[in-house]
This record gives sequence, C-alpha cells and structure tokens, in this order.
Amino acid sequence: TQLLEQSPQFLSIQEGENLTVYCNSSSVFSSLQWYRQEPGEGPVLLVTVVTGGEVKKLKRLTFQFGDARKDSSLHITAAQPGDTGLYLCAGAQSGGSNYKLTFGKGTLLTVNP
Amino acid sequence: GAVVSQHPSRVICKSGTSVKIECRSLDFQATTMFWYRQFPKQSLMLMATSNEGSKATYEQGVEKDKFLINHASLTLSTLTVTSAHPEDSSFYICSVRDSQETQYFGPGTRLLVL
Repeated sequence: TQLLEQSPQFLSIQEGENLTVYCNSSSVFSSLQWYRQEPGEGPVLLVTVVTGGEVKKLKRLTFQFGDARKDSSLHITAAQPGDTGLYLCAGAQSGGSNYKLTFGKGTLLTVNP
Repeated sequence: GAVVSQHPSRVICKSGTSVKIECRSLDFQATTMFWYRQFPKQSLMLMATSNEGSKATYEQGVEKDKFLINHASLTLSTLTVTSAHPEDSSFYICSVRDSQETQYFGPGTRLLVL
C-alpha cells in the first residue's frame, strides 16, 4: 500500500502553461519535502514544509502543506523547459528514534518549448 | 543544507565481482545515513539505514549479506554489492538527515553489471 499518493505520474505540457502536482496521504507527517531530480543525478531539495497550512514560494514554484499535514501540492507557474525533471514529494514521520521518510512515486514533468 | 558526495559516479563490473560505493558527508557529521536504490523513471526505494558505529538496519526484502554496509565514521558510509549480478544494475543514492528531518542526497552511483 502506497502511503503517499503522488499525482499525476506523468505530465507533458507546453512552455508557459501552469501545472499542479499533488501528494496525498491518510497519515500525518511532521514535515514534507519536495525534491527535483534530473537524469543521472541525485534528488535536489526544493523546499521543506513543516506547519499545517504553510505556503512557501520559490520563484515560479509555490508549495503548500495541508492544514492537517496529510497532503501537499506543488504549483508551477509559466513552466519553462528548464523545469523538466522528476519531482518527488517525501513525508517525514518521527517518534523518538523512529524516523521514516516516505516517498511518493514521483511526477515526471516534460516542458516542451 | 548538507553536502554529500559519492564515489564512484559510475562503475561497470563483471558478474560475480564485488563493488564498493562510498558516501561522504562533506560538511555535516552524520550519525545516520541512508542508502536508496532507484530504477529508471521511478521513485527511490530505501534499502537500508546506516548507523555510525553499529549495524545497519535493512528494509524488508533487502539481503544484508549481499548489500554490505559499513559506517565507520561520522562522514563516511560504504555500500558493497557482493557477487554482483546483472539484476543488481541500478542507480544507488545515499543521503544524510539533518536535525530537522530533511534529507540531502548524494549525486548517485550508476552500477552496470555485465
């Protein structure tokens, strides 16, 4: 059972369009991270959200953490070819020495010029 | 954030040989490091948690005798793929966790077993 549902799995859009990627879970996370990964490289951290309802902006990227800390979204405005890559959400759960980071399946984004 | 390096970035080996991959935390003392495996266009799959000075914790289905992990210092963890076979070919990535639960990843190691 996938604990963190990420959608869509694949997305191909034209330059200039907007898009939203969703991550949903029935579990509560203490924090949630978004990463972007290019082929042949490791994931690069984009943002960490911690507080329910939190919104963070990174240039054309807007990240939101749900009020109940069970879901998150990534919105990209006016996508550019350089935004192409695999976007991963990952939810952290910790309790004492028990720490776990659960990844979504990823969204493979292609922005066509 | 933490800076993590991996060596080698790519390795090709013959079936039956062993391959060692190094993961270094360059600016952060990591008592815990993580090893992941990733197949093309898929998400990361946690293989094991590497604990400095103690045994690694392996995820279900990961053979600890095949994937040997050593975390001898606060800045270095190694993953040795023993008696590698073509099905072990994959992208292996390590990470460190900071005090705020955020993980920082290395650049990955592409393993090809012929």
